[in-house]
Amino acid sequence: GQNIDQPTEMTATEGAIVQINCTYQTSGFNGLFWYQQHAGEAPTFLSYNVLDGLEEKGRFSSFLSRSKGYSYLLLKELQMKDSASYLCAVSHNFNKFYFGSGTKLNVKP
Amino acid sequence: GAVVSQHPSRVICKSGTSVKIECRSLDFQATTMFWYRQFPKQSLMLMATSNEGSKATYEQGVEKDKFLINHASLTLSTLTVTSAHPEDSSFYICSARPRTSGIDEQYFGPGTRLTVT
Repeated sequence: GQNIDQPTEMTATEGAIVQINCTYQTSGFNGLFWYQQHAGEAPTFLSYNVLDGLEEKGRFSSFLSRSKGYSYLLLKELQMKDSASYLCAVSHNFNKFYFGSGTKLNVKP
Repeated sequence: GAVVSQHPSRVICKSGTSVKIECRSLDFQATTMFWYRQFPKQSLMLMATSNEGSKATYEQGVEKDKFLINHASLTLSTLTVTSAHPEDSSFYICSARPRTSGIDEQYFGPGTRLTVT
């Protein structure tokens, strides 16, 4: 089975930095993805990690440690529009994704 | 590039009827398409994996006779919810993996909100 855990909800202030963690236990791991989803819309791709380390992409960075089954998404210079759900997804055997429960991020002025 | 469409975006049907949802990759060929459902305030649950020209692979607990999946071409997959009941009301999202994808990435459609009355 796939166990992918994320915090349910987080709150942060506009302009701040927030880190959203994701832990996983899975066989056949091939990579970890982060998606952003606004209510009622489809997920949009944010980042992808297949090797250990940090991937930086503008205001968003993602980190992976395969030995620890751990990833985080780092959002810098938070903006109000960053209020959304953030989904961690694990690629399994190059064939399918399994999603975590998602973290709802509330950005306050 | 890498646009996936779904049709319809919203559908309301009566209990006992069947509903077909289409998923199309508009500017790429997709060897594999995936169907997910999402309940309010919950994450995406993988229902089935659909490969062009072969039978879909369903996740445990998903009834294949109730959720019929057809992947007739490299750009189209359909999900038919048969004999729909109110508990089938949900947000259904498809995704597609490009045939020539350099990474294991999926592109998501905009979703279909199904309401069964």
